[in-house]
Amino acid sequence: AQSVTQLGSHVSVSEGALVLLRCNYSSSVPPYLFWYVQYPNQGLQLLLKYTTGATLVKGINGFEAEFKKSETSFHLTKPSAHMSDAAEYFCAVSEGQAGTALIFGKGTTLSVSS
Amino acid sequence: KAGVTQTPRYLIKTRGQQVTLSCSPISGHRSVSWYQQTPGQGLQFLFEYFSETQRNKGNFPGRFSGRQFSNSRSEMNVSTLELGDSALYLCASSLSVLNEQFFGPGTRLTVL
Repeated sequence: AQSVTQLGSHVSVSEGALVLLRCNYSSSVPPYLFWYVQYPNQGLQLLLKYTTGATLVKGINGFEAEFKKSETSFHLTKPSAHMSDAAEYFCAVSEGQAGTALIFGKGTTLSVSS
Repeated sequence: KAGVTQTPRYLIKTRGQQVTLSCSPISGHRSVSWYQQTPGQGLQFLFEYFSETQRNKGNFPGRFSGRQFSNSRSEMNVSTLELGDSALYLCASSLSVLNEQFFGPGTRLTVL
């Protein structure tokens, strides 16, 4: 069965600092990987996704993630944090080769201080 | 284009009752998925429908059921509610399989 582990339930950074949110996955088939963001009292918004092709994926709001098969990782980064980035972030893997059933990690809450 | 809408946004029920939640996908989207979000278990996949057929189902008891109508709108039903069913229920729609899923704001269910 596929699974996702997000290291660190809470990450705090200063405004302008590098953001690094860690995600490791377990999958017996080539994975489809996603990062979502959730603001308070809202649904989830897709930041970026990896399906096939280029392993460095760029998303919205300056975020990017790199798929590393050898490390089974899909870490999310942003060079310079903004106050508006404070939210909860979820890494997810799609179960199986096709289908949209997503397996989510437990989430990482990002705090940004001025 | 309107986003995914979920009704109602908030709901309070008592143990033993049943509840029906509704989801209207983005126009043209034919796939609808449901997820349960709780502080303890996080986000868990409930089921997915495509063209009125259940394509995939998560590991939830039979008290949780769903359906999809010909206009792609979907409902999920929870019977014999338990305290542990208190959660945010999220609906997501997509054009088809492996397309980006767009999430609605969720229905917050509280079971007393």
